[in-house]
Amino acid sequence: DTGVSQNPRHKITKRGQNVTFRCDPISEHNRLYWYRQTLGQGPEFLTYFQNEAQLEKSRLLSDRFSAERPKGSFSTLEIQRTEQGDSAMYLCASSGQASYGYTFGSGTRLTVV
Amino acid sequence: AQSVTQLGSHVSVSEGALVLLRCNYSSSVPPYLFWYVQYPNQGLQLLLKYTSAATLVKGINGFEAEFKKSETSFHLTKPSAHMSDAAEYFCAVSVGTNAGKSTFGDGTTLTVKP
Repeated sequence: DTGVSQNPRHKITKRGQNVTFRCDPISEHNRLYWYRQTLGQGPEFLTYFQNEAQLEKSRLLSDRFSAERPKGSFSTLEIQRTEQGDSAMYLCASSGQASYGYTFGSGTRLTVV
Repeated sequence: AQSVTQLGSHVSVSEGALVLLRCNYSSSVPPYLFWYVQYPNQGLQLLLKYTSAATLVKGINGFEAEFKKSETSFHLTKPSAHMSDAAEYFCAVSVGTNAGKSTFGDGTTLTVKP
């Protein structure tokens, strides 16, 4: 098992453009999470899947953000019409059970210019 | 709703000294509690977890944490700091048997002086 894989590692985009990130979780894990982390802060919850079902989405999450997990395998996070405030590290994590804790990927660093 | 407070955004210790990183949580139901470590330029890694079994939990690299319900605390300790322990440490809480998200603290940066 190669762990949780995220692509790309870095993304620089112009304001107003759309971006999409991919996460490949550990294959046995049915839970997948997206978090956002900015400098000096802890990871902030964005959304959570159990298999292919999106069970929770942060109320702080703008409608410009959408996530999918087709067939309960990999997941994508899309940000439409990016803004400078979207610049952050986007983290993906997976888990088998809630009590197991997360296995994190290395993250995708987004810079909006 | 659950929450976590990490007391002290920066902690500095000498090599060989005791490490104590503080975490207090708020939860209306019995929580799961976690400590994660993030080394420079690396992803977050699970250090240890409390899931209602033993209140004293041992993790990797000689770290341990004690769950104290009366104090709503889950402080992280290590008897003797090593230079390689320098990193950022995050406490997190999750609730419920079908718990989804974990809520993270803002982290504590540990510096180890030679």
